[in-house]
Amino acid sequence: EAGVAQSPRYKIIEKRQSVAFWCNPISGHATLYWYQQILGQGPKLLIQFQNNGVVDDSQLPKDRFSAERLKGVDSTLKIQPAKLEDSAVYLCASSLVASVSDTQYFGPGTRLTVL
Amino acid sequence: GQNIDQPTEMTATEGAIVQINCTYQTSGFNGLFWYQQHAGEAPTFLSYNVLDGLEEKGRFSSFLSRSKGYSYLLLKELQMKDSASYLCAVRGDSNYQLIWGAGTKLIIKP
Repeated sequence: EAGVAQSPRYKIIEKRQSVAFWCNPISGHATLYWYQQILGQGPKLLIQFQNNGVVDDSQLPKDRFSAERLKGVDSTLKIQPAKLEDSAVYLCASSLVASVSDTQYFGPGTRLTVL
Repeated sequence: GQNIDQPTEMTATEGAIVQINCTYQTSGFNGLFWYQQHAGEAPTFLSYNVLDGLEEKGRFSSFLSRSKGYSYLLLKELQMKDSASYLCAVRGDSNYQLIWGAGTKLIIKP
């Protein structure tokens, strides 16, 4: 079974530029999460999707970040314009369905450096 | 508020045993997860505890005490490849989301 796929793996941009990340979850997984992980910290949830609907985006900086999962499968996360403090690893995770015992499986992440 | 505490860093010797502690204060509890994260890689699932007691899985065991808001991950027969960060996460009441600790960086010395 294929795991969670993400691209690109690395991205370097200058501040005020825009960037997009792509995620393809494990086949059949209804729930998809985007996390931001700053070095030395745990993952911080940005947005949670259930199929193609947003469950929670309360921690997404909506003035610059946006995310979509139009067909309920793959998803994109965009930052426009980027700031220095956006330098982090962006992790995508998926789970079969959001439930008490459900396990989240992570992709390899995209390491973003903003100069 | 919601809070998960883990030691920042621990050092242990190859072949030995190490215990990584995690304490939590959360609004609601629906289980505790441990993940392993090697440098530059994604977190990978290790264990899930929802009832009190010890769950053993090969060299790794995880313990939970809900009344004390406490868990630990026990790693036996340490190998160099166990050098990684270990993340504790609690599933709260909100949308089955995980609340994450900052992780414990485990350094294994020969």
